[in-house]
Amino acid sequence: QKEVEQNSGPLSVPEGAIASLNCTYSDRGSQSFFWYRQYSGKSPELIMFIYSNGDKEDGRFTAQLNKASQYVSLLIRDSQPSDSATYLCAVPFSGGYNKLIFGAGTRLAVHP
Amino acid sequence: DAGITQSPRHKVTETGTPVTLRCHQTENHRYMYWYRQDPGHGLRLIHYSYGVKDTDKGEVSDGYSVSRSKTEDFLLTLESATSSQTSVYFCATQSGSANEKLFFGSGTQLSVL
Repeated sequence: QKEVEQNSGPLSVPEGAIASLNCTYSDRGSQSFFWYRQYSGKSPELIMFIYSNGDKEDGRFTAQLNKASQYVSLLIRDSQPSDSATYLCAVPFSGGYNKLIFGAGTRLAVHP
Repeated sequence: DAGITQSPRHKVTETGTPVTLRCHQTENHRYMYWYRQDPGHGLRLIHYSYGVKDTDKGEVSDGYSVSRSKTEDFLLTLESATSSQTSVYFCATQSGSANEKLFFGSGTQLSVL
């Protein structure tokens, strides 16, 4: 089992819909969680960070964390074609100094 | 954005040759990382550093070594390159806390023929 799991997709949603991306992790000691967006041929960029159970909202993005169930999700409201990218979940593992592990990423395609 | 420079940006080499990739940062960040990215695998951690001369293995460290003799430079060496090491390599840095974001370099496309 990978330490951080994501569905690879592609996840296809129509413009204006809500896109829901999920991530599970194996290390119960992990405390903080990151979502990165990566456009094709580019470097990843941070879009959300969460460390408390519950929801965290930033514009059209909402991160949801459930430590008991060991999953973190990302909701994108009013999806736009410009949101089409690969979304990577990242988790720093408790066994090492900031050992940051990424999931395989979910490819999102928003169609007009 | 953070000043992170990867060199070279592209490299083609032959199986069995040694290869060194360089990551240089101007931000005085404590943590530095080397990832490789292949289709279907996302970013996989090769090695990372938590200070000068302090390094640790990641998920896919076999066949790779690293060195960090100065805060600003983190070198990744493929001792004897294999075709399975053809990949895009990203360097990233992080300031001083696990809650800080990573800053990524532009990546190095390495092809081993």
